[in-house]
Amino acid sequence: EDQVTQSPEALRLQEGESSSLNCSYTVSGLRGLFWYRQDPGKGPEFLFTLYSAGEEKEKERLKATLTKKESFLHITAPKPEDSATYLCAVQASWGGTSYGKLTFGQGTILTVHP
Amino acid sequence: DVKVTQSSRYLVKRTGEKVFLECVQDMDHENMFWYRQDPGLGLRLIYFSYDVKMKEKGDIPEGYSVSREKKERFSLILESASTNQTSMYLCASSVTGTSGLNTDTQYFGPGTRLTVL
Repeated sequence: EDQVTQSPEALRLQEGESSSLNCSYTVSGLRGLFWYRQDPGKGPEFLFTLYSAGEEKEKERLKATLTKKESFLHITAPKPEDSATYLCAVQASWGGTSYGKLTFGQGTILTVHP
Repeated sequence: DVKVTQSSRYLVKRTGEKVFLECVQDMDHENMFWYRQDPGLGLRLIYFSYDVKMKEKGDIPEGYSVSREKKERFSLILESASTNQTSMYLCASSVTGTSGLNTDTQYFGPGTRLTVL
């Protein structure tokens, strides 16, 4: 069974204080790992897709990296507007009825104080 | 930009009512998904569809059914709403491919907060 564990559950940072969020996963053949941002009461907003170990992607203050067992979301010099829940999900290689199915972690609640 | 819309942001229904939640995407995506999101339980897949008139059960299909008569529209039906179906419902869509930018990435709608009294 595919599993995704995110840590920490909650993270409080001061504005400008860089840090990383972790996403550990077990999957029967990784097809893709996805990062989303979710604001309260809204749907998840897509951030990154990573397909293979060693891959990195960046967007503004965010950088996602991938190894064979985990992914990190690095936040450089965060601002209060970066406060949100960050979700990680994995998609296994196709087979059976797992057509495009994502397995999500519980998320990390990030709060950035001014 | 991909756009996924859901028919209502907030909905209040009574126990036993039949409830329809509708989702429309404008990117010609083959795959569409319905999730519910609850505190402490995360996102859980209810049903998905990879083609018109095709549907597959997700992890928690009990008490729900779906309909996909057109490629762009995917409906979630609660045949007889119950209080334990009070939740945030999220629709998503994705395109399938062997390569290309963001293949298989699921794009989500804004969500419908359903309360069953």
